[in-house]
Amino acid sequence: KQEVTQIPAALSVPEGENLVLNCSFTDSAIYNLQWFRQDPGKGLTSLLLIQSSQREQTSGRLNASLDKSSGRSTLYIAASQPGDSATYLCAVTWGANNLFFGTGTRLTVIP
Amino acid sequence: DTAVSQTPKYLVTQMGNDKSIKCEQNLGHDTMYWYKQDSKKFLKIMFSYNNKELIINETVPNRFSPKSPDKAHLNLHINSLELGDSAVYFCASSQAQGSYTFGSGTRLTVV
Repeated sequence: KQEVTQIPAALSVPEGENLVLNCSFTDSAIYNLQWFRQDPGKGLTSLLLIQSSQREQTSGRLNASLDKSSGRSTLYIAASQPGDSATYLCAVTWGANNLFFGTGTRLTVIP
Repeated sequence: DTAVSQTPKYLVTQMGNDKSIKCEQNLGHDTMYWYKQDSKKFLKIMFSYNNKELIINETVPNRFSPKSPDKAHLNLHINSLELGDSAVYFCASSQAQGSYTFGSGTRLTVV
């Protein structure tokens, strides 16, 4: 069964800290993995897309890594800011055009 | 602006009614989707259309009927609404195995 898991479900950090969000998935035969951000009551914003042939992607203070063999991805956020507070969702594509989502990590950055 | 737009943003209706949610994308993507986000914030695929052809139909009640008049539009019609249909419905689009772009969501409340 293809599943995506995110731990922890919630995380609070003081402003300025570096942090790592974790995502794990069953079945290493993925096409790609995407990280999204969702603000309360809002839609999803795509942050980073990693193709199965890639090991990492970077955008500004964000860095996402992919280790297919262990079924894991991490999203690293450097120098966290209160504006980073949101729910972060990991989603995996296997085969057919369909994203399987994790349950998300709710991040709170405390000023 | 290039985007996925869905209307309405909010929909409050009584049990038993029939309602539609519209979705349009101007990104030139070949594939469009409907996702449902339940009260626990978990996102799950409902339908996927590629070039107007249905390619994914998860175990969704047949009261839900998607319609794709062209590859830029994917509408969702729901018959005989039930309390359990209350959720946020997201439209999305993608090209091949590329990044997904999501609409801002339609919050459906059935009373």
